[in-house]
Amino acid sequence: TQLLEQSPQFLSIQEGENLTVYCNSSSVFSSLQWYRQEPGEGPVLLVTVVTGGEVKKLKRLTFQFGDARKDSSLHITAAQPGDTGLYLCAGANAGGTSYGKLTFGQGTILTVHP
Amino acid sequence: GAVVSQHPSWVICKSGTSVKIECRSLDFQATTMFWYRQFPKQSLMLMATSNEGSKATYEQGVEKDKFLINHASLTLSTLTVTSAHPEDSSFYICSARVFGTINNQPQHFGDGTRLSIL
Repeated sequence: TQLLEQSPQFLSIQEGENLTVYCNSSSVFSSLQWYRQEPGEGPVLLVTVVTGGEVKKLKRLTFQFGDARKDSSLHITAAQPGDTGLYLCAGANAGGTSYGKLTFGQGTILTVHP
Repeated sequence: GAVVSQHPSWVICKSGTSVKIECRSLDFQATTMFWYRQFPKQSLMLMATSNEGSKATYEQGVEKDKFLINHASLTLSTLTVTSAHPEDSSFYICSARVFGTINNQPQHFGDGTRLSIL
C-alpha cells in the first residue's frame, strides 16, 4: 500500500506571510497532483508535476517534484485570505492494477487571516 | 472542458432507505470513474474504481453489497448506498478520467454529494 504523508495538517497564518506544504512518500509516483478544495465542493486541480526535479509556478504558488519522484512541496508567497482552503496532494500510479488510482495525502487546512 | 456533474448535491433520508448518486462526465467519455468518501476536514478515501462495462474494484474494507456501483455507459456511473444508516452519512465525491497516460489525463472531480441519514 502506498502512503503519502502530508504536513502540516493545519496552518493558520496572517495575510502576507509565506508558507510551505510538504508531501513525502517512500514510494515512487509517475506524477503528483495538487488540488485545492473548498467546503461543500469537489477538489479543483491546481497542477500536475511529472518529471523528477520539476518546478512549476502558478502566480504566487510554486510546486516542486522531488528528484526521485517520491516527494513534493507547495510554496505560497504572500498568502491572501482567498488562499484559505483544504490543499491536497495526490500521487498517481502508472502501472499494474493500480493504473490511474490516486493516493491522497491527509490534506492541509490553510486559514489566512486578514 | 472536462466537466463532471454529480447529482444530487444534498440528500437527507431516513435510516433504511437506499440512495442513488449519479456521476456524469458532461463533455468527455470516461472509461474510468472513481468514488471517494470524505469526512469533515479530512482527505479523500477511495472507495472503488468503476470501469465502464465491467465490475467495480473495491478498496479493502468497503462493502460491495452496501455500496453498489454501476458504470453502464461511458458518461455515467452510479453509486447506490443500500439500506443506509446514520454511520453512512458523509460527503461522497466522484471523479472521472479518460483512458490514457495518467500524466496527461488528470482526474476531474464532481462537486460531491452530502448524504445525511436520520
